[in-house]
Amino acid sequence: DGGITQSPKYLFRKEGQNVTLSCEQNLNHDAMYWYRQDPGQGLRLIYYSQIVNDFQKGDIAEGYSVSREKKESFPLTVTSAQKNPTAFYLCASSIGQGGGYEQYFGPGTRLTVT
Amino acid sequence: KNEVEQSPQNLTAQEGEFITINCSYSVGISALHWLQQHPGGGIVSLFMLSSGKKKHGRLIATINIQEKHSSLHITASHPRDSAVYICAVQAPMNYGGSQGNLIFGKGTKLSVKP
Repeated sequence: DGGITQSPKYLFRKEGQNVTLSCEQNLNHDAMYWYRQDPGQGLRLIYYSQIVNDFQKGDIAEGYSVSREKKESFPLTVTSAQKNPTAFYLCASSIGQGGGYEQYFGPGTRLTVT
Repeated sequence: KNEVEQSPQNLTAQEGEFITINCSYSVGISALHWLQQHPGGGIVSLFMLSSGKKKHGRLIATINIQEKHSSLHITASHPRDSAVYICAVQAPMNYGGSQGNLIFGKGTKLSVKP
C-alpha cells in the first residue's frame, strides 16, 4: 500500500530536549511538507522540500530543522529553541511542490513537551 | 488577518440533512482544496478545484472565482460524515513564507446525529 507514515503517534519530551519526528513516504513524490496544528487554528507550514537535498522555510520555521537526504524521508527536529513545541504535527507529500497539487497526509504525531 | 475564512465554525445536523460549508478567501489563487480531518487527526483530500464544480458520491464542491468563495455540500448526511472539514487555498508565489503553498482555514467541525 502506498502512503505516508509518521512515527510515533504520541511523543512526550522534557523541556530543553531536542526531538525528531519521522516522516516516510513510498508514493515516489518529489515534494514533502511539515505542518503544525494547534487547537482552533488552521494548519501552518513549517518547512517544505521540493526535491532531495533541498528544503525551504515556511511560515513558522523558527525552532525547527529538517533534512531531505532521501526522496522517501523528511524528518523534522523540534529543537529546544522552539518556544511552544506542544502541538500536533502533520507531514504531507505531493507529486510537485505547491498548492496546485493534491497533497497526501500522514496520520500525524502529537508532541507533548513538559 | 485570516486569508481563508470558513463558516460555520461548528455545525450539528440530523442524519439525512443537506449540509453546506462555506469558504471565503482574500488572496488570489490558482487552486482551492477541501480536506477532511477525522477525529484521530488523519487528513484526507476530498477535492482540488480551480473553477466550476466537482462531485464525488454525496459530496459536491463549487467555486466562484469572481466572488472568491467556495462551498462544500454533503447530501443525505450520515453520522460517518462527522469530521472537521478544512478549506485551503494556494498562496501566490511571493506571499510570505507560503510561496505557492497552501494557506488553511481553521476548519468546520461537523457532527451528524443519528
